[in-house]
Amino acid sequence: EVQLVESGGGLVQPGGSLRLSCAASGFTFSSYWMHWVRQVPGKGLVWVSRIKTDGTITSHAESVRGRFTISRDNGKNTLYLQMNSLRAEDTAVYYCARAGWLQLGSEYYYYMDVWGKGTTVTVSS
Amino acid sequence: DIQMTQSPSSLSASVGDRVTITCRASQSVTNYLNWYQQKPGKAPKLLIFAASNLQSGVPSRFSGSGSGTDFTLTINSLQPEDFATYYCQQSYFTPPETFGQGTKVEIK
Repeated sequence: EVQLVESGGGLVQPGGSLRLSCAASGFTFSSYWMHWVRQVPGKGLVWVSRIKTDGTITSHAESVRGRFTISRDNGKNTLYLQMNSLRAEDTAVYYCARAGWLQLGSEYYYYMDVWGKGTTVTVSS
Repeated sequence: DIQMTQSPSSLSASVGDRVTITCRASQSVTNYLNWYQQKPGKAPKLLIFAASNLQSGVPSRFSGSGSGTDFTLTINSLQPEDFATYYCQQSYFTPPETFGQGTKVEIK
């Protein structure tokens, strides 16, 4: 079964750090780009970060750039999100998602086709 | 960054109704447009990719159309399990991967 399982969430004080993990199984993890997406309870989905198959290319949303770092260990089939200098506005459910893709003609289409159940991060004193 | 705007933000419908949700991009994303369904307390689920391609396992009452800046998600004969929030997402100009604000489909 194709599966993503997040862990590492919890309560942290403002300015603190947390590392989220996302364990992948049921597919060749090293063949897929991966994303982190977050959602404040009752609000919409917000993309956070993405990483290339081999970890050599990463991107982060402007709101977390310089504070969050996405990484991966293909040997362990695990995706990470290191979150530093946490703020109250980082409080959210964090999902990892697989970047599925399909070639149609000469075009490559990307989408988030497998999602974990999420892990909750609460930043509060 | 490309902005994605969905309308309406919420709607009330009855079982058996046909429901249409619109997503507009601030500039053309050709057909690099995906739709997701999210139920309360659950992760999002991919419904449609590349504007009109149904993800495997998704019921055929769901369909997507559009290109450029204007897109539509249609649910034919709404079922009880379809009451959820729906999001569009563009994958043309990335990063960032941008989502619409969501459309909540509620029971009338």
